[in-house]
Amino acid sequence: AQTVTQSQPEMSVQEAETVTLSCTYDTSENNYYLFWYKQPPSRQMILVIRQEAYKQQNATENRFSVNFQKAAKSFSLKISDSQLGDTAMYFCAFMTRGAQKLVFGQGTRLTINP
Amino acid sequence: GAGVSQSPSNKVTEKGKDVELRCDPISGHTALYWYRQSLGQGLEFLIYFQGNSAPDKSGLPSDRFSAERTGGSVSTLTIQRTQQEDSAVYLCASSSGGSYVRETQYFGPGTRLLVL
Repeated sequence: AQTVTQSQPEMSVQEAETVTLSCTYDTSENNYYLFWYKQPPSRQMILVIRQEAYKQQNATENRFSVNFQKAAKSFSLKISDSQLGDTAMYFCAFMTRGAQKLVFGQGTRLTINP
Repeated sequence: GAGVSQSPSNKVTEKGKDVELRCDPISGHTALYWYRQSLGQGLEFLIYFQGNSAPDKSGLPSDRFSAERTGGSVSTLTIQRTQQEDSAVYLCASSSGGSYVRETQYFGPGTRLLVL
């Protein structure tokens, strides 16, 4: 069975700082997808970034980037120039290609302080 | 276009009553998913619909839970004889059938269910 582990229940940084959220996963599959979702207090899960396991290049979306280490089964999220609006729960998620269901980590509560 | 919508936003019910939660996926999306988010269990997969195929019900926690999808669009999740442990946020997601973006799921705002 696949599992996703987020070892940081809570993090807090100052506005404009850079923060990295950790995620590790366990799978015997070779083809899979990894995601970071953001859940603000409104409860809406918002896709932040995704990574296909077959791609060696790390995904980047504006201030958000990932460090994907396939051999180590690690998928961390880096947020640069953090903003107050980045305050939210962040979930790392995994999906085997073709499995169609996401397996989520327990989440990291990120607070950006002014 | 419009995103995934869910209703009601919040639902309070008494133990033993039945509840129905509704999900409207993004127009044109062929896949629909239900997840449950609770304090003790985190985010759990419940059920998955893809087009006219038989749904994947492998995540439903008991036979009190059921879901249907009518006309390949709107879905209803029904919980019969609700128990206090059913209290959670129920999230719906949908994804398109395109070969590249199929695996990206877009979520609705959820329904918060409280069973008293």
